[in-house]
Amino acid sequence: DTEVTQTPKHLVMGMTNKKSLKCEQHMGHRAMYWYKQKAKKPPELMFVYSYEKLSINESVPSRFSPECPNSSLLNLHLHALQPEDSALYLCASSQVEQGKGYTFGSGTRLTVV
Amino acid sequence: GEDVEQSLFLSVREGDSSVINCTYTDSSSTYLYWYKQEPGAGLQLLTYIFSNMDMKQDQRLTVLLNKKDKHLSLRIADTQTGDSAIYFCAAGKSTFGDGTTLTVKP
Repeated sequence: DTEVTQTPKHLVMGMTNKKSLKCEQHMGHRAMYWYKQKAKKPPELMFVYSYEKLSINESVPSRFSPECPNSSLLNLHLHALQPEDSALYLCASSQVEQGKGYTFGSGTRLTVV
Repeated sequence: GEDVEQSLFLSVREGDSSVINCTYTDSSSTYLYWYKQEPGAGLQLLTYIFSNMDMKQDQRLTVLLNKKDKHLSLRIADTQTGDSAIYFCAAGKSTFGDGTTLTVKP
């Protein structure tokens, strides 16, 4: 298995909702990442988990809460989002944090209404 | 901090070679990467180069790294319509260029 699987593919949520994005990989990678990508822009790093521990939090607002339950799973819990948070959320993984390359999932297209 | 710059657009004819250029400011990244993103999809890692290498070839792809000028390029030989996409240059895990939109005309 050489894939990163993200669910759901699309999500529409209201500003008072709580939802979660899920990411899974079975490549034995020990680093996992969340990125946010706005249309026609490059991805922006949000969080890095290395060996299931939060390694980097790029000053992301607390309405985004990451969780790494085990080495294969990464969640992003969403609460009280704003319309400007609408974007493509990408998960990625790599063998280790300074690895030779990153495998990206196909993303969750999030719309906040 | 690190900055990566790319030209925004490139248009070529099918069968020609495409060259996408990138410049970066910080030499501390161990690896430099090229990604491809098709509409509605995630990023696909095309290739990477270790920072102490000058060149890497992988089938139709050739990466050239000029460390002195901090310049990275991606050459795609025999470009096909399926190569039309946005190509991102990246240094490490967090520094991406703005992407080059490659359009391949039949």
